[in-house]
Amino acid sequence: GENVEQHPSTLSVQEGDSAVIKCTYSDSASNYFPWYKQELGKRPQLIIDIRSNVGEKKDQRIAVTLNKTAKHFSLHITETQPEDSAVYFCAARVSGNTPLVFGKGTRLSVIA
Amino acid sequence: DGGITQSPKYLFRKEGQNVTLSCEQNLNHDAMYWYRQDPGQGLRLIYYSQIVNDFQKGDIAEGYSVSREKKESFPLTVTSAQKNPTAFYLCASSPTQDQPQHFGDGTRLSIL
Repeated sequence: GENVEQHPSTLSVQEGDSAVIKCTYSDSASNYFPWYKQELGKRPQLIIDIRSNVGEKKDQRIAVTLNKTAKHFSLHITETQPEDSAVYFCAARVSGNTPLVFGKGTRLSVIA
Repeated sequence: DGGITQSPKYLFRKEGQNVTLSCEQNLNHDAMYWYRQDPGQGLRLIYYSQIVNDFQKGDIAEGYSVSREKKESFPLTVTSAQKNPTAFYLCASSPTQDQPQHFGDGTRLSIL
């Protein structure tokens, strides 16, 4: 089955700097890659997703890139703000009737 | 996302006792999921259901049971066979399994 590795497990950046979180997946048939943000004590919320027919997707300060050959995808947050502090999860899914497989999460701290 | 309601928010279980966590959605979603969240472990899939009266085991189904008698409801029972039930439990739903998941606020289960 699919396996998703996420790095780093913790990340601290200065306010205004960029943050990058990377994930690798094992099944080359995976075609859907969402990213979720979970603030302390709250539910995970989808912030951006990408499908395998696209190499990059942007939404304001957030972007996701996908390298199908290398089987990895990354979340990029620019101009970080304190409210970006949260745990971020990547996930991947093989097409068909298989469910999402999540990475173990990255705790991002943005220091003012 | 107010469309998914989990109850109770906090739950305490005595040794040898079964407890049931409620998950209700009014989003008319076909697919529903249960995840367990432990520190540093990410989101691990317990059970999922793609349609009413059908469900499949996830990665950590042992000691848990579910039912899907109604489209809007997917209760999770933590049985006495689950020896380490203390965790944060998240329910999610999606229109179909191929579309983004929306999460509830979670139930935190502790052992007395």
